[in-house]
Amino acid sequence: AQSVSQHNHHVILSEAASLELGCNYSYGGTVNLFWYVQYPGQHLQLLLKYFSGDPLVKGIKGFEAEFIKSKFSFNLRKPSVQWSDTAEYFCAVTLFSGGYNKLIFGAGTRLAVHP
Amino acid sequence: EAQVTQNPRYLITVTGKKLTVTCSQNMNHEYMSWYRQDPGLGLRQIYYSMNVEVTDKGDVPEGYKVSRKEKRNFPLILESPSPNQTSLYFCASTRLAASPTDTQYFGPGTRLTVL
Repeated sequence: AQSVSQHNHHVILSEAASLELGCNYSYGGTVNLFWYVQYPGQHLQLLLKYFSGDPLVKGIKGFEAEFIKSKFSFNLRKPSVQWSDTAEYFCAVTLFSGGYNKLIFGAGTRLAVHP
Repeated sequence: EAQVTQNPRYLITVTGKKLTVTCSQNMNHEYMSWYRQDPGLGLRQIYYSMNVEVTDKGDVPEGYKVSRKEKRNFPLILESPSPNQTSLYFCASTRLAASPTDTQYFGPGTRLTVL
């Protein structure tokens, strides 16, 4: 079965530290890749997405992700985190199956940034 | 403004008391879906609908029902809630895409507690 793995369940960083959150998926076909963010008490927001083209994708708030097809990975990065980046981050994969987009989510990574 | 709305946002109920969580979208999307979010498990799909009167089970449908009598509405029904259905629920919608590039829009979430 298709799955999405996020390796870090909890990450604690100090402000200005660099961030990399791992995401791997298991599906051999064509996929679209997403990172969503959920700030405390809020709903999911799309951070960035990859459909095709340049495998380095830039999103909102200084985030970027790199799609490495050979590694089935789509890691999220930010050079310098801020306290306001404290949130839960979800990697997700869309399988275009049967004419609709089934989204499969990873378990999420909780990021806490300390001032 | 394009949006997905859910009501109620918070609900505390008791075991066995039927409840309905409403979901509505104003984007004329064909595809709607319900997810539940649990710590360490990410978001898991409960049910989805590809159009009016067309619904199907997702990954965790047990204990839930849905209906799709109108295109804009997709209520989630718990006929006899149990404590293991305590969770955060999200409704989402998207076009029934001819291409896989469409993204899903998420509602603000409903936090349900079953005592």
